[in-house]
Amino acid sequence: DTEVTQTPKHLVMGMTNKKSLKCEQHMGHRAMYWYKQKAKKPPELMFVYSYEKLSINESVPSRFSPECPNSSLLNLHLHALQPEDSALYLCASSQKSTGSGGYTFGSGTRLTVV
Amino acid sequence: AQSVTQLGSHVSVSEGALVLLRCNYSSSVPPYLFWYVQYPNQGLQLLLKYTSAATLVKGINGFEAEFKKSETSFHLTKPSAHMSDAAEYFCAVSDPSSGGYQKVTFGTGTKLQVIP
Repeated sequence: DTEVTQTPKHLVMGMTNKKSLKCEQHMGHRAMYWYKQKAKKPPELMFVYSYEKLSINESVPSRFSPECPNSSLLNLHLHALQPEDSALYLCASSQKSTGSGGYTFGSGTRLTVV
Repeated sequence: AQSVTQLGSHVSVSEGALVLLRCNYSSSVPPYLFWYVQYPNQGLQLLLKYTSAATLVKGINGFEAEFKKSETSFHLTKPSAHMSDAAEYFCAVSDPSSGGYQKVTFGTGTKLQVIP
């Protein structure tokens, strides 16, 4: 299995809703990432988990809450989002070591906040 | 800090023509360099990577890139463009000293248009 699976593919939520994005990989990768991508822009790093521990939080607002329940799963909990948070949210994973392997990306969750 | 600069946000080529997408990097240490492709409403797919072995790197779909230290460049090429190559291409750099994970920085992207 060489895939990163993200669910749901599309999500529309109101500003008072609570929702979660899910990411799963079974490649044995021990680093997992959340990226946010606005239209016509490169992906921007949000969070990095290494061995299920949060290693990087790129000053992301607290309305985004990541969780790594085990080495295969990564969640992003969403609460009280703003319309400007509408974007493509990408999950990625990589092997643990020196950074030479590159990322494997999921196909993303297209989030619309209304 | 590591960074990459992609010259040209849009590139148009005729079908069958050479594809050349430019990327220059800035790094204080030998970097790892990558090219990713993104089709509309999809995630990114790794095309190829440079990790300090051979300077000419071959990737998927007929793409290749050459690492030139003297020019701090890692340009992406393909001899003959296909319609299916139309997509957004991102050059990216990774810090080898991240430790346990990769912190990848992406360029601003180049949209490739292939004209029939």
